[in-house]
Amino acid sequence: GAVVSQHPSRVICKSGTSVKIECRSLDFQATTMFWYRQFPKQSLMLMATSNEGSKATYEQGVEKDKFLINHASLTLSTLTVTSAHPEDSSFYICSASPGISNQPQHFGDGTRLSIL
Amino acid sequence: RKEVEQDPGPFNVPEGATVAFNCTYSNSASQSFFWYRQDCRKEPKLLMSVYSSGNEDGRFTAQLNRASQYISLLIRDSKLSDSATYLCVVNIRGGYQKVTFGTGTKLQVIP
Repeated sequence: GAVVSQHPSRVICKSGTSVKIECRSLDFQATTMFWYRQFPKQSLMLMATSNEGSKATYEQGVEKDKFLINHASLTLSTLTVTSAHPEDSSFYICSASPGISNQPQHFGDGTRLSIL
Repeated sequence: RKEVEQDPGPFNVPEGATVAFNCTYSNSASQSFFWYRQDCRKEPKLLMSVYSSGNEDGRFTAQLNRASQYISLLIRDSKLSDSATYLCVVNIRGGYQKVTFGTGTKLQVIP
């Protein structure tokens, strides 16, 4: 099946640090990638939709200057959490799709971010 | 009103029971439908696509009712390993893909 790789899987860093998370589709071209955040015991929350070669579309309440998304190629999207603070600690998950509406998304393994 | 709605549960069922979840959607442009399962502290994994004619995969049966705008998932002979959160996902046709998730239904299978 389709594989999406997300890296790193775990990050622990000090407050004020910027953290970059990579999401790669390994065996298909991902026209569209999605970034989610999930707090403990809560449901997945879509943060932004990233389309290759264009600006990401952010969901309401998600600061685009705080969560920088770059989808520079059909196989790679990055999410940078700038100047992270403890309240940014969460489980961040990406998913990728060929961009055809009848195809499912495939998820990366997720990144567990802990800001001290 | 949310675009995709699910009963959050939890559904606590004994091993061997049959359990069914529904998911309603509001956008008539919804084109494709999927069920995912998410285990605690893990990423969602695709369980099955949902086809118009209904489809079955082992103990799992998915159905789509376009007229009433809902999809369902039926699990027969529940196993302890079925305990997870089940997410309903709807793809909406358009230029770029738009995907909407339900909040998930938690299932706990009890010995």
